[in-house]
Amino acid sequence: DTGVSQNPRHKITKRGQNVTFRCDPISEHNRLYWYRQTLGQGPEFLTYFQNEAQLEKSRLLSDRFSAERPKGSFSTLEIQRTEQGDSAMYLCASSLMRLAGGNQETQYFGPGTRLLVL
Amino acid sequence: ELKVEQNPLFLSMQEGKNYTIYCNYSTTSDRLYWYRQDPGKSLESLFVLLSNGAVKQEGRLMASLDTKARLSTLHITAAVHDLSATYFCAVHASFYNQGGKLIFGQGTELSVKP
Repeated sequence: DTGVSQNPRHKITKRGQNVTFRCDPISEHNRLYWYRQTLGQGPEFLTYFQNEAQLEKSRLLSDRFSAERPKGSFSTLEIQRTEQGDSAMYLCASSLMRLAGGNQETQYFGPGTRLLVL
Repeated sequence: ELKVEQNPLFLSMQEGKNYTIYCNYSTTSDRLYWYRQDPGKSLESLFVLLSNGAVKQEGRLMASLDTKARLSTLHITAAVHDLSATYFCAVHASFYNQGGKLIFGQGTELSVKP
């Protein structure tokens, strides 16, 4: 399977604990995105990378959240001191941004990591 | 700030009927996407619409874009049960700097009944 993969698929944690999620994008995709989706809502943008550079962060991404993409391949999203309001599905997407024809970029989503904070 | 609104939010259809989902957005953008999401699953890309008057069709689904009205429609023809899912429109938020952020609508939950 050459699609976007995410691990773990499910995570249950206690309030105050730290959690880390991993996303492996489609090979050769230079952009990687993180979104958060709560029940009954559309995904909300959190942050994105072009290669290893983090280019944009949403104000939703408090200082308890940090994301990295150290070698421009996989990415990790860490949440420190989790709160019950962090419970959500965390979606990763990747895309290939070409200099020519860049406006045809399509984001391909992974299966998500469902987080439950007790 | 870009806002994206879909309607209806819930749609119960009979098999064989036609219906349209509407997506309005508040500021200029250069592209609009439609995604499908099955319960508990991730999002599947359906269409990307790039220009005014763009129309794309795949099976029983047809999407169109009117950039002047900032409106996209997803038309369902002769609905079948397999189309039951939640449909999202998403608008590219960064028209001027090529950043890739998408702003999603709330989703339309479609249920097709026999």
